[in-house]
Amino acid sequence: EVQLVESGGGLVQPGGSLRLSCAASGFTFSNNAVNWVRQAPGTGLEWVSGISGSGRSTYYAGSVEGRFTISRDNSKNTLYLEMNSLRAEDTAVYYCANGGVAGTPFDHWGPGTLVTVSS
Amino acid sequence: SYVLTQPPSVSVAPGETARISCGGDNLATKSVHWYHQRPGQAPVAVIYYDTDRPSGIPERFSGSNSGNTATLTISRVEAGDEGDYYCQVWLFSSDQPVFGGGTQLTVL
Repeated sequence: EVQLVESGGGLVQPGGSLRLSCAASGFTFSNNAVNWVRQAPGTGLEWVSGISGSGRSTYYAGSVEGRFTISRDNSKNTLYLEMNSLRAEDTAVYYCANGGVAGTPFDHWGPGTLVTVSS
Repeated sequence: SYVLTQPPSVSVAPGETARISCGGDNLATKSVHWYHQRPGQAPVAVIYYDTDRPSGIPERFSGSNSGNTATLTISRVEAGDEGDYYCQVWLFSSDQPVFGGGTQLTVL
């Protein structure tokens, strides 16, 4: 069974940093692209960032480019999102999801982790 | 930027058919994926590549894509079908996915 479990969310002040993790199991992690998708309270889904299976290709939404960095450790089956210079508008539930690159669908999603940016 | 337009809400009685639209410029040239999100839960894919159903999704769910509009059709609607539905495509021009704004399905 495919499982994706996010962690690392919490309360952070504006301008602060946070690192999210997503532990994957149940599939060959290194063969799959993985992504971060967020959902601000009461709003729709917004794609944040994606990374290819090898990690050589990364993709970012314009709203986070230059502030967020996506990475993966295939030896640990784990996806990361380093978030810097956080803003109030980054407040959201952050989901990791596999697939989603080059036209493929987001096959499976984790339950999400809440990030709150507030003073 | 490319915009996918969905109606904010659709209401249907139990047992009837719900149709949720997703509009975009020349949408038929792209593959559309659909996701269902129940309150407080993560999204779940219900239709891949315009018309394909993932394993475990009932045959009541079907999709189509023609011209500028893709449609998710849910036949014999049940209470458990309530929630938000999102369409999604990939933009090869900018190497990123785009989601529609979502449609809230209410079962009366």
